[in-house]
Amino acid sequence: AQTVTQSQPEMSVQEAETVTLSCTYDTSESDYYLFWYKQPPSRQMILVIRQEAYKQQNATENRFSVNFQKAAKSFSLKISDSQLGDAAMYFCAYRYQGGSEKLVFGKGTKLTVNP
Amino acid sequence: GEEVAQTPKHLVRGEGQKAKLYCAPIKGHSYVFWYQQVLKNEFKFLISFQNENVFDETGMPKERFSAKCLPNSPCSLEIQATKLEDSAVYFCASSQLGESQPQHFGDGTRLSIL
Repeated sequence: AQTVTQSQPEMSVQEAETVTLSCTYDTSESDYYLFWYKQPPSRQMILVIRQEAYKQQNATENRFSVNFQKAAKSFSLKISDSQLGDAAMYFCAYRYQGGSEKLVFGKGTKLTVNP
Repeated sequence: GEEVAQTPKHLVRGEGQKAKLYCAPIKGHSYVFWYQQVLKNEFKFLISFQNENVFDETGMPKERFSAKCLPNSPCSLEIQATKLEDSAVYFCASSQLGESQPQHFGDGTRLSIL
């Protein structure tokens, strides 16, 4: 079974600095998708960024970028120029291509942004 | 609509009572998913639908949980004879047909069992 591990239960960063959240996963599949979701205290689940496993180029969305290392099964999220509004729980998720489409989530990392 | 709409936002039930949660997916989305987020923030997949057909129910507790997605009606998740451990936030998500389509989440229903 696929598993997703987020080894940092909590992280903190100073406003305007850069922070990296870690995620590793375990799968025997070669085609899959990876996602980072943000969950603020309002409990909305907001898609931050996604990566297709067949793409070598790392995905980028404005201040958010990933470091996707397929061989190492690693998918870290980098947040640049951190803002107070970035404070939230961040969940890494895996979805197998061609399977049931369900997301497998990590346990989350709580990010605090200090002014 | 353009958002996944979940109702109610908060539902309180006494232990042993029935709970029913509703989800209206985004118009045009073929897939609907239900997830349970317990207090430790862990997400558990429950069930998914492709249109009105069950697609994957491997996460559903067999005895007390049931779900439906009928044409022209919101999808529903029903829990019979609720237990304290059912207290959680239940999220519905929907997505379009297609391999790379992301899931869009509703705001969740917080179920409190007293």
